[in-house]
Amino acid sequence: SQTIHQWPATLVQPVGSPLSLECTVEGTSNPNLYWYRQAAGRGLQLLFYSVGIGQISSEVPQNLSASRPQDRQFILSSKKLLLSDSGFYLCAWTNLLTGPTGTEAFFGQGTRLTVV
Amino acid sequence: SQKIEQNSEALNIQEGKTATLTCNYTNYSPAYLQWYRQDPGRGPVFLLLIRENEKEKRKERLKVTFDTTLKQSLFHITASQPADSATYLCALGHSGYSTLTFGKGTMLLVSP
Repeated sequence: SQTIHQWPATLVQPVGSPLSLECTVEGTSNPNLYWYRQAAGRGLQLLFYSVGIGQISSEVPQNLSASRPQDRQFILSSKKLLLSDSGFYLCAWTNLLTGPTGTEAFFGQGTRLTVV
Repeated sequence: SQKIEQNSEALNIQEGKTATLTCNYTNYSPAYLQWYRQDPGRGPVFLLLIRENEKEKRKERLKVTFDTTLKQSLFHITASQPADSATYLCALGHSGYSTLTFGKGTMLLVSP
């Protein structure tokens, strides 16, 4: 069966420090991969998505970047964190393009990031 | 701009009653709509998907309706239980796109 791993679960980082969050998927090939952020009282904001190795689409310009070095690995990074980067970060995958038939998204357990 | 609206106020109901949650959207023509459940500190979990040519979908105690004229989906939980307490998110998908757009979610509290 498919599983998605996301780590760490919680993270406290000082302003200006770098960030690296990792997400890996098992049990499937060629997944679409996504990074979302969920701030308090706000909905899920799509940050990046990837339909293949090295292919990254950014939805919102910001202080973050994403990379996909392997088929089932998705990394969210920042060179210098801002206070506004605090939030709940979620990695997700779908198993094919969400065309007319649609497909469900599978989420990781999330990383609670607090920038201090 | 596209907007998805879910009731921001928590819905409080008694155990055994039917909970009805609403998802409205504007400036959007989704090919399908999904509902997710999210528990505190956890990632969302998929519940149901309904396509634009479907009026209603059921799964056990769950029922979803999709009215593309009203631009609205209703999510029902019958015979609700305290374990159903969570935040419920609706998400819209557009034909030909790889991404889902989520609402902010509605918290449901079922009291014994």
